[in-house]
Amino acid sequence: ETGVTQSPTHLIKTRGQQVTLRCSSQSGHNTVSWYQQALGQGPQFIFQYYREEENGRGNFPPRFSGLQFPNYSSELNVNALELDDSALYLCASRDDRVGTQYFGPGTRLLVL
Amino acid sequence: QQPVQSPQAVILREGEDAVINCSSSKALYSVHWYRQKHGEAPVFLMILLKGGEQKGHEKISASFNEKKQQSSLYLTASQLSYSGTYFCGTEDTDKLIFGTGTRLQVFP
Repeated sequence: ETGVTQSPTHLIKTRGQQVTLRCSSQSGHNTVSWYQQALGQGPQFIFQYYREEENGRGNFPPRFSGLQFPNYSSELNVNALELDDSALYLCASRDDRVGTQYFGPGTRLLVL
Repeated sequence: QQPVQSPQAVILREGEDAVINCSSSKALYSVHWYRQKHGEAPVFLMILLKGGEQKGHEKISASFNEKKQQSSLYLTASQLSYSGTYFCGTEDTDKLIFGTGTRLQVFP
């Protein structure tokens, strides 16, 4: 077990709706990253937060946004959902001392 | 920019060995290796830092050659539990860029 949890495990939304996914990182890990993994593909980096500030972003549009809270929890928000947003969304808690990232079980999002 | 892995897929009998390669077009400072089983999250295997470091535990080891911008993962005497997709990951300003993936299947 990595000590990283995510909720919900599964979610079904319709096109145009908004969704919020949640992650609880390991205590003491100040960096959290979010990834999108489409079926049959590797995880794609969405963005990263360090001490509640975004400090890195991948090639995702602004409708993908996030928040990190002082209690090691974080959120990924996606507005105006599109069919292509259907994927497994993973958060990863980073041990900044060595750079290792530990993944949560993921949230599987289906957009109809 | 995405690291390229080879081979794309490997089929093994239990007890056989395998090597998975990861090659980057950019300078590498560290390489991460993960295994992901179908429907599950990636599981951290090991991280190799700059300096030609080689790490391993039990029957899984890896090497890292920063001059060649390559890393290799060695699976010895494979077990059924080794089946899954293996990803290398390279760090780019603290964000992890995953490789193209290698699907490994071990049969009895």
